[in-house]
Amino acid sequence: GEDVEQSLFLSVREGDSSVINCTYTDSSSTYLYWYKQEPGAGLQLLTYIFSNMDMKQDQRLTVLLNKKDKHLSLRIADTQTGDSAIYFCAGVSWGKLQFGAGTQVVVTP
Amino acid sequence: DTAVSQTPKYLVTQMGNDKSIKCEQNLGHDTMYWYKQDSKKFLKIMFSYNNKELIINETVPNRFSPKSPDKAHLNLHINSLELGDSAVYFCASSTPRDVSSYEQYFGPGTRLTVT
Repeated sequence: GEDVEQSLFLSVREGDSSVINCTYTDSSSTYLYWYKQEPGAGLQLLTYIFSNMDMKQDQRLTVLLNKKDKHLSLRIADTQTGDSAIYFCAGVSWGKLQFGAGTQVVVTP
Repeated sequence: DTAVSQTPKYLVTQMGNDKSIKCEQNLGHDTMYWYKQDSKKFLKIMFSYNNKELIINETVPNRFSPKSPDKAHLNLHINSLELGDSAVYFCASSTPRDVSSYEQYFGPGTRLTVT
């Protein structure tokens, strides 16, 4: 959506790290989310970060939040072919989840 | 044991027809949603119900009418289908832990194709 922006495409080699970036305009969201959509499936919550945190690590996933710049990123370490999907960042605005347009991540062998 | 289920998964129909999509969740959640995902993967909320009450009603044509018979079900009826209605429709549910927490569980989607 217009309140949440993401780059549309990322190609990464298997075993490398992926970094997906997102910028948002509404800073009132208490949580910020990353969702993953595999082909032909619905979205599933991958991870989230509380707005008073700068970083959250969850196994291969690292979320970084820069509140001053309203910038959120998701780093996937040791990217695998199973990580090929569309990744959406989302925040809450006016009681609704606002999704970015999604970043298509393609993992190549 | 599916958490959020939708039927049908695929729906192909002609312009002008009326169709319904059904959604059920067995997570005990209070809130359910309908989203539309267009061909560019952009996801936009359409409606939200909390305990059978409509709480979010975005700017969608009034040809779209949601109905929630109980808090585990949220159906979407579409009248006079148009080509532009072709999209993937997702149902989701959530139970906010606090006012600002919106961890949502999505169904597998219904791909609607209007010819």
